[in-house]
Amino acid sequence: DSGVTQTPKHLITATGQRVTLRCSPRSGDLSVYWYQQSLDQGLQFLIQYYNGEERAKGNILERFSAQQFPDLHSELNLSSLELGDSALYFCASSVGRTNQPQHFGDGTRLSIL
Amino acid sequence: GENVEQHPSTLSVQEGDSAVIKCTYSDSASNYFPWYKQELGKRPQLIIDIRSNVGEKKDQRIAVTLNKTAKHFSLHITETQPEDSAVYFCAASISAGTASKLTFGTGTRLQVTL
Repeated sequence: DSGVTQTPKHLITATGQRVTLRCSPRSGDLSVYWYQQSLDQGLQFLIQYYNGEERAKGNILERFSAQQFPDLHSELNLSSLELGDSALYFCASSVGRTNQPQHFGDGTRLSIL
Repeated sequence: GENVEQHPSTLSVQEGDSAVIKCTYSDSASNYFPWYKQELGKRPQLIIDIRSNVGEKKDQRIAVTLNKTAKHFSLHITETQPEDSAVYFCAASISAGTASKLTFGTGTRLQVTL
């Protein structure tokens, strides 16, 4: 158990819909990262939050957004879903200082029908 | 942006043999290099990491080496066991203050046969 909690574990929805993925970081971790893992794209960094503020951005689509709340949990919102958004979405957390290990949650498997 | 290449994509070794996975990175500003092991359907698990001010790091049967000049780093697993079978990902990170961006390689599927 990494201490990072992600809900839900599985999500099945249809094209055009909107979903919210939730992540609770390890106790004491201030940074939360979101990753997308698909068969053809591998593990892709989406976005990082540190103590409530956006700190780094990867190839995150405009249809996707995230935020980190005062209690440090984070949510990733995916809208206008397309078939290609089907993937495993991982959240990771770290203490947040430079070059500290990131610990991954068990992921949310999103299936778009 | 950063680009990380990883080779080989698949690797099959006999139990007890050594396995080596190699990665190269493009951005000389990268300063942190973790390795993750991912079993089927599971989360990536950090197995070892190295920072840019260190050339080599070892943890029991696992070691990582870093050559900053050539911009490549490698994972070495000795005395492989069947439970080492998994997909291994290298990554490179450019970190500054509280901002950090991990770029992953494409993964190496390691199979340890009896």
